[in-house]
Amino acid sequence: GNSVTQMEGPVTLSEEAFLTINCTYTATGYPSLFWYVQYPGEGLQLLLKATKADDKGSNKGFEATYRKETTSFHLEKGSVQVSDSAVYFCALSDKAQGGSEKLVFGKGTKLTVNP
Amino acid sequence: EAQVTQNPRYLITVTGKKLTVTCSQNMNHEYMSWYRQDPGLGLRQIYYSMNVEVTDKGDVPEGYKVSRKEKRNFPLILESPSPNQTSLYFCASRSGILTQPQHFGDGTRLSIL
Repeated sequence: GNSVTQMEGPVTLSEEAFLTINCTYTATGYPSLFWYVQYPGEGLQLLLKATKADDKGSNKGFEATYRKETTSFHLEKGSVQVSDSAVYFCALSDKAQGGSEKLVFGKGTKLTVNP
Repeated sequence: EAQVTQNPRYLITVTGKKLTVTCSQNMNHEYMSWYRQDPGLGLRQIYYSMNVEVTDKGDVPEGYKVSRKEKRNFPLILESPSPNQTSLYFCASRSGILTQPQHFGDGTRLSIL
């Protein structure tokens, strides 16, 4: 079945450091890929998405490219800020066998950025 | 403002006492879903609904019920809650298009004693 594997945290960085959070997926079809962010005490918010191979999603300085050949969707940001401290979830959306439509999440990576 | 609203935000209750968590969306979305979030396990889908009167089980449906009588509402029912259902619950919705993202509520923290 479909699955998402993302790097385990926690990740701690200093302000202005470069961020990479790895995400790989397994899917039987042609999934759409998402990064969601969860700030403390809040629900999940969409950060960026890509719906087909080689698409690049970007938002708030974050980027991720849909790589079909490596089944990856790694999240990157060139210079993190304290306000980026949150939990980041990689997810895929696809039709499962039987026609059900599911959003499958990775386990989340907690990022802490120190001033 | 487009939003998904869950109530209550917090609830402490006892084993066996039926409870309902409400979820309402104002975006006319066809698809709605419930997830639970547990440390080390990420988010797992409980139930989902692809439209009115159409519901199906997710990955962890045991001990839960749902209904979808109206498009905007998708309540989660725990008929006889148990301590292993203590968790953080999220409702989400999206349009009928699979490539669209889901919109999440702010979460309901349930503690079953």
